[in-house]
Amino acid sequence: EVRLLESGGALVQPGGSLRLSCVASGLDYTRYAMTWVRQAPGKGLEWVSSISGSGSGTYYADSVKGRFTISRDNSRDTLFLQMNDLRAEDTAIYYCAKGLNYAGMVYFFDSWGQGTLVTVSS
Amino acid sequence: EILLTQSPATLSLSPGDSATLSCRASQSVSRFVAWYQQRPGQAPRLLIYDTSNRATGIPARFSGSGSETDFTLTISSLEAEDFAVYFCQQRSNWPLTFGGGTKVEIK
Repeated sequence: EVRLLESGGALVQPGGSLRLSCVASGLDYTRYAMTWVRQAPGKGLEWVSSISGSGSGTYYADSVKGRFTISRDNSRDTLFLQMNDLRAEDTAIYYCAKGLNYAGMVYFFDSWGQGTLVTVSS
Repeated sequence: EILLTQSPATLSLSPGDSATLSCRASQSVSRFVAWYQQRPGQAPRLLIYDTSNRATGIPARFSGSGSETDFTLTISSLEAEDFAVYFCQQRSNWPLTFGGGTKVEIK
């Protein structure tokens, strides 16, 4: 069974930084792209960033480009999201999600963590 | 950016009814659309990918259809656990995008 466990969410002031982590288990980690998706309170889903299995390919939403950095440590089956210059509009639950793999890495998500809450407020 | 518009925003139905949810893309996404279910307080769950393929463990009452810009998720006979919010997502182009969601509520 695939398990994804996020951590690192917190209350932070505008302009501050946070680093989220997501530890994976139950899978051959390098075979799968990984992604961060966020959900503001009472709102829909917003894709934030994705990274290929090797880590060589990274992709970002315009809303976070230049402020957030996605990375992964395949030796520890761990995904990261470094978030800098945080804004009130970044307040959300952040989910890590595992991509499908059939005929290559596919950016649909069949396993999700429980989420970690990031609150940006003074 | 490809915009996904879901309709209706809310669907009020009774257990045993059939539900038809729509997702319209602002430009062609071929068949690269997925559907997710999200129950209150839970993470999303993948139901359908690439328009019509059911994800592992998803009951046969969930089906998907469509192509290019118009996609449909059908739930053939609603059960109590199906009352939730449903999102579509495209992977045809970066950035990945989600629709705004359809809430299926008990009438």
